Amino acid sequence: EADIYQTPRYLVIGTGKKITLECSQTMGHDKMYWYQQDPGMELHLIHYSYGVNSTEKGDLSSESTVSRIRTEHFPLTLESARPSHTSQYLCASSELGTRSSGNTIYFGEGSWLTVV
Amino acid sequence: AQSVTQLGSHVSVSEGALVLLRCNYSSSVPPYLFWYVQYPNQGLQLLLKYTTGATLVKGINGFEAEFKKSETSFHLTKPSAHMSDAAEYFCAVSSSGGYQKVTFGTGTKLQVIP
Repeated sequence: EADIYQTPRYLVIGTGKKITLECSQTMGHDKMYWYQQDPGMELHLIHYSYGVNSTEKGDLSSESTVSRIRTEHFPLTLESARPSHTSQYLCASSELGTRSSGNTIYFGEGSWLTVV
Repeated sequence: AQSVTQLGSHVSVSEGALVLLRCNYSSSVPPYLFWYVQYPNQGLQLLLKYTTGATLVKGINGFEAEFKKSETSFHLTKPSAHMSDAAEYFCAVSSSGGYQKVTFGTGTKLQVIP
């Protein structure tokens, strides 16, 4: 199973602040993802990457941005946080799909962001 | 296009009773299918997956699921519920191919009554 690390786990910040959520994986996976999830609700894909220098927007529009300069690192940045950004952000990774891995996605523990 | 439907956003069972969480999928090509579990304030953990081969798949914590192509279903079962099974469960589908995205269902919250 993949090891994916997210920091911080919990963050409370004021409106207008810039924040970066860090995500690192140690399995050498090419694909990485960011999902947004409100408490008890479904997952929404907001960003994904196929590899270094590749970033794509997901199904849900987000004001956040991402970068992929190294294979193992996929940080998410909010330039000016607002209360509407309050949510859980889940980072994930997967291998390029094979018959055995089947696009299996592995998740980090999540980062809970509260904007006041 | 692919999609996943989880029937029942909330399911309650008594401790020791059968757990059955329903998942139906839509995919134009042979699918890969997954069940994940999410405990409060945690990320998603893979319970089991079907990619190819045997249609009855066994996972962690005593869960299993059966891929039924004719019914386009991948229901999750466990013979005897335990209090620790209380969590949110997500079904997911992916098409074969390295660049295909994974589509998640809306989740089913399982409550276990003592």
